[in-house]
Amino acid sequence: DAGVIQSPRHEVTEMGQEVTLRCKPISGHDYLFWYRQTMMRGLELLIYFNNNVPIDDSGMPEDRFSAKMPNASFSTLKIQPSEPRDSAVYFCASSLTGYGYTFGSGTRLTVV
Amino acid sequence: GQQLNQSPQSMFIQEGEDVSMNCTSSSIFNTWLWYKQEPGEGPVLLIALYKAGELTSNGRLTAQFGITRKDSFLNISASIPSDVGIYFCAGPSNFGNEKLTFGTGTRLTIIP
Repeated sequence: DAGVIQSPRHEVTEMGQEVTLRCKPISGHDYLFWYRQTMMRGLELLIYFNNNVPIDDSGMPEDRFSAKMPNASFSTLKIQPSEPRDSAVYFCASSLTGYGYTFGSGTRLTVV
Repeated sequence: GQQLNQSPQSMFIQEGEDVSMNCTSSSIFNTWLWYKQEPGEGPVLLIALYKAGELTSNGRLTAQFGITRKDSFLNISASIPSDVGIYFCAGPSNFGNEKLTFGTGTRLTIIP
């Protein structure tokens, strides 16, 4: 199993640009999570899906953030427009009901 | 919401020493998970605990589920350089809920 795959690994973009982060969860997992990690705030849950349906998006910071899961093998997190304070490492994780998460390697986003 | 506080925030120890860290919660947890994050990677699950008082080992790592269900402990014996990283505790926000709350992390540095 290749694990949770995130792309890109690094993204540098200019303020105001649209950013799309991608995630392929582990096959068969029914939950998918998007986290953001910063030094100041640690690991923050942004949104999670169960069977492709968004369950809780209360952690999404603003309307500039949106996430989709069109099928069981793909999810995107989009920021439009991006701002420097969005700079962070964004993690995707997946799990099978009742078990701990498996995280991807993350996308390091820098907005200049 | 629930908060998980870890202590110490950081540790500087010499190779070969034993390590102890803990995690305390403002509310009861029914599951405790311990993760390790290495530089440039996502957190990886080390140990899962499901019952109050449970003591579980994984190689040189031993974790305990506190009897009050509001705390957990992680010990590493005879530390080696590859133990370097950030250790996170985590627990589900509500019983049966897949949404995990992560602790503030303990950063472990090994002095050669």
